Amino acid sequence: KQEVTQIPAALSVPEGENLVLNCSFTDSAIYNLQWFRQDPGKGLTSLLLIQSSQREQTSGRLNASLDKSSGRSTLYIAASQPGDSATYLCAVGDHGSSNTGKLIFGQGTTLQVKP
Amino acid sequence: KAGVTQTPRYLIKTRGQQVTLSCSPISGHRSVSWYQQTPGQGLQFLFEYFSETQRNKGNFPGRFSGRQFSNSRSEMNVSTLELGDSALYLCASSSRTGGTYEQYFGPGTRLTVT
Repeated sequence: KQEVTQIPAALSVPEGENLVLNCSFTDSAIYNLQWFRQDPGKGLTSLLLIQSSQREQTSGRLNASLDKSSGRSTLYIAASQPGDSATYLCAVGDHGSSNTGKLIFGQGTTLQVKP
Repeated sequence: KAGVTQTPRYLIKTRGQQVTLSCSPISGHRSVSWYQQTPGQGLQFLFEYFSETQRNKGNFPGRFSGRQFSNSRSEMNVSTLELGDSALYLCASSSRTGGTYEQYFGPGTRLTVT
């Protein structure tokens, strides 16, 4: 059974710092991995999608990497801003569900960026 | 394109009642998935519908059910509500592009059971 873990659960940094959020999964047979952002009481906003054949994806100040063999993904945020404060969720598309839209989520990392 | 919409946004129900939540996917998306989010369990997959057929189901009791219409709009129903059903219910739509599915989520329906 696939399990997704995110460390740390919470993180507080001063504005301008570069930071890394970690995600690990127990079964390396995934077909994609998606990073989301969730603001309090709101839905999820897709940040980056990495297909199983890819090693990384970049969007603006965000860079996500994927290492299937070690069961890990990282989300790198450059030059953090107070507007980046949110919960970041990692989700994997399990290979057993490769032809469906089912995602398995981690518990998230709550980020606070202080001005 | 308009995003995923969910109605209603907030609901308060009493134990034992039933509730129906609605989700309209992004135009052209044929897959709709439902998730339950609670502080204790996080985000958990309920079920997925594709072309009016349920093609994947999570580990939830039979009180949770859903359906999809020919226009891809989906509804989920929870019967005999329990206090533990209080949660944010999120709907996501997706289409297969580049050999994979990317999920787009709606704003959610906040259900409170008293």
